[in-house]
Amino acid sequence: DAKTTQPNSMESNEEEPVHLPCNHSTISGTDYIHWYRQLPSQGPEYVIHGLTSNVNNRMASLAIAEDRKSSTLILHRATLRDAAVYYCILRAPLGGGADGLTFGKGTHLIIQP
Amino acid sequence: GAGVSQSPSNKVTEKGKDVELRCDPISGHTALYWYRQSLGQGLEFLIYFQGNSAPDKSGLPSDRFSAERTGGSVSTLTIQRTQQEDSAVYLCASSLGGFSYEQYFGPGTRLTVT
Repeated sequence: DAKTTQPNSMESNEEEPVHLPCNHSTISGTDYIHWYRQLPSQGPEYVIHGLTSNVNNRMASLAIAEDRKSSTLILHRATLRDAAVYYCILRAPLGGGADGLTFGKGTHLIIQP
Repeated sequence: GAGVSQSPSNKVTEKGKDVELRCDPISGHTALYWYRQSLGQGLEFLIYFQGNSAPDKSGLPSDRFSAERTGGSVSTLTIQRTQQEDSAVYLCASSLGGFSYEQYFGPGTRLTVT
């Protein structure tokens, strides 16, 4: 899987929007952009994924740059429960390799009340 | 519905002993994954099962680690002759298919080797 780069940590205030950036300049044309998060003392949780177009679901929005070399996870109104480590992961369709997720260091999101 | 479950939630063992960790995936999920997370480290992929195909063991750190998946459902991760560096949280995940959109993770088993 291609490499992603995320800030180590970010801080935001409760009830404000949060924009979490991810750079993936070596992304290939078939790589999907996935976001997971891990709350303290829990297993990771799927957040959202996309390929080229922006995506929205009940948890978040994913904005993908036109050249696909970067993306931004948007939490529209952060709550204290959103404090977690957020991972941006690229996933290629099966090509004979492992299908395990490759987690980087992620971004530690801190929410201030 | 029921999520991925793992047992035990905590396991303390002495160095050199064998341990077995169990994972019950979500019913109907054909793909099953094992990961581990050491203290202060990221998640590390270990092994992947897809249906009845031979598992992808490319992430297993040594031959002391093995895993089975019986009947395409429950999986057991076995660590033989445990070492202190095996101490970690072992996470299991399942998904609908090999290249599924999301993986659902269990709560993990915290293994401590003394």
